Amino acid sequence: NAGVTQTPKFQVLKTGQSMTLQCAQDMNHNSMYWYRQDPGMGLRLIYYSASEGTTDKGEVPNGYNVSRLNKREFSLRLESAAPSQTSVYFCASSPRGHGSTDTQYFGPGTRLTVL
Amino acid sequence: AQSVTQPDIHITVSEGASLELRCNYSYGATPYLFWYVQSPGQGLQLLLKYFSGDTLVQGIKGFEAEFKRSQSSFNLRKPSVHWSDAAEYFCAVVHTGANNLFFGTGTRLTVIP
Repeated sequence: NAGVTQTPKFQVLKTGQSMTLQCAQDMNHNSMYWYRQDPGMGLRLIYYSASEGTTDKGEVPNGYNVSRLNKREFSLRLESAAPSQTSVYFCASSPRGHGSTDTQYFGPGTRLTVL
Repeated sequence: AQSVTQPDIHITVSEGASLELRCNYSYGATPYLFWYVQSPGQGLQLLLKYFSGDTLVQGIKGFEAEFKRSQSSFNLRKPSVHWSDAAEYFCAVVHTGANNLFFGTGTRLTVIP
């Protein structure tokens, strides 16, 4: 079991470029999440998916889009990257529904720098 | 609105000393409370969680936390810290029906020999 995997680990973009962050889990979990982590701000939820085929906005969705491709995969897309999106991005998954008491399992993160 | 406050940004302790990391929450009803740990360059791992019942919960790696409703606190403790405990610790809260797991800003723990 690999758990939650994320690619790439590191990425540098120029302002205005686009990219997709990939996330996959092999635990047969229903819910998946994307967070960003900024110094002094903890983790903030960008988007989540309570089940295959559904997605919902979290706390800071502006500038991002997501796709729940299937039960295993949940991607995060930056259409036109901005320096304010420089951050560390974490994907997570949990067995049941969002807002439940489930433990969330985190990937190792993607460190993104936008110049 | 619910929020979580971790008042200590950085704590340094000697190996073998006891540890207490503070967490305060603001929410009207009893929340669900979590402590996660993030080792350098890694994702977050759950240490323990509290939903109801016994207010003292045991977690992995010898950690425990106590829920105190009167103080709106959920402090994390360990009796004897090991060098491998050096990491960043996050308190988080969610309540039934909410969509967000709210994280505190984290406390970075340094362990000196």
